[in-house]
Amino acid sequence: GQQLNQNPQSMFIQEGEDVSMNCTSSSIFNTWLWYKQDPGEGPVLLIALYKAGELTSNGRLTAQFGITRKDSFLNISASIPSDVGIYFCAGQRSGNTPLVFGKGTRLSVIA
Amino acid sequence: GAGVSQSPSNKVTEKGKDVELRCDPISGHTALYWYRQRLGQGLEFLIYFQGNSAPDKSGLPSDRFSAERTGESVSTLTIQRTQQEDSAVYLCASSLGWGALTGELFFGEGSRLTVL
Repeated sequence: GQQLNQNPQSMFIQEGEDVSMNCTSSSIFNTWLWYKQDPGEGPVLLIALYKAGELTSNGRLTAQFGITRKDSFLNISASIPSDVGIYFCAGQRSGNTPLVFGKGTRLSVIA
Repeated sequence: GAGVSQSPSNKVTEKGKDVELRCDPISGHTALYWYRQRLGQGLEFLIYFQGNSAPDKSGLPSDRFSAERTGESVSTLTIQRTQQEDSAVYLCASSLGWGALTGELFFGEGSRLTVL
């Protein structure tokens, strides 16, 4: 099946630092999305990207849809303790196909 | 409620028993997904319902797994003759089934299945 390679698998950072994670694929996706999962809960949508080259921000979060449509990155600026969780990238080929998820980046923030 | 509701939240069963997990999607959402998440792992796609179209069952790991959906509402995931490797959190999600927003999934809190 379709695979999304998400890196890094885990990160330990100091509070206040910036964070960057990325997702790559061998095939094209026409929509890229980033989700965050807190312990014991389902993932929650952070940012959705619909156009190649698109750069979108949501507060301290910024995500980009790669120009080749095979990659995306997520940046978090000035991290805070509540940023702790698992961040998943997801890709969708077209509107009537299922969403494919990466394996997640587990973020830990040290106060 | 306004969100995706799943039940039971926790289920402990013995190996070989059948289990049913239920999902109530957000009203008006025509697309419904089931994912499996093993401990410390990512989300593994199981099945996808989109309106009245035939479901995409390509992610179901074996014929012990099946799912049904009644119209555009409740869905049930059934696992027959459960095995220990079926232990996981089963997440349900729904989304609008048309336009550019189909990838914007709203997840339930999951059903945690433990097979002894």
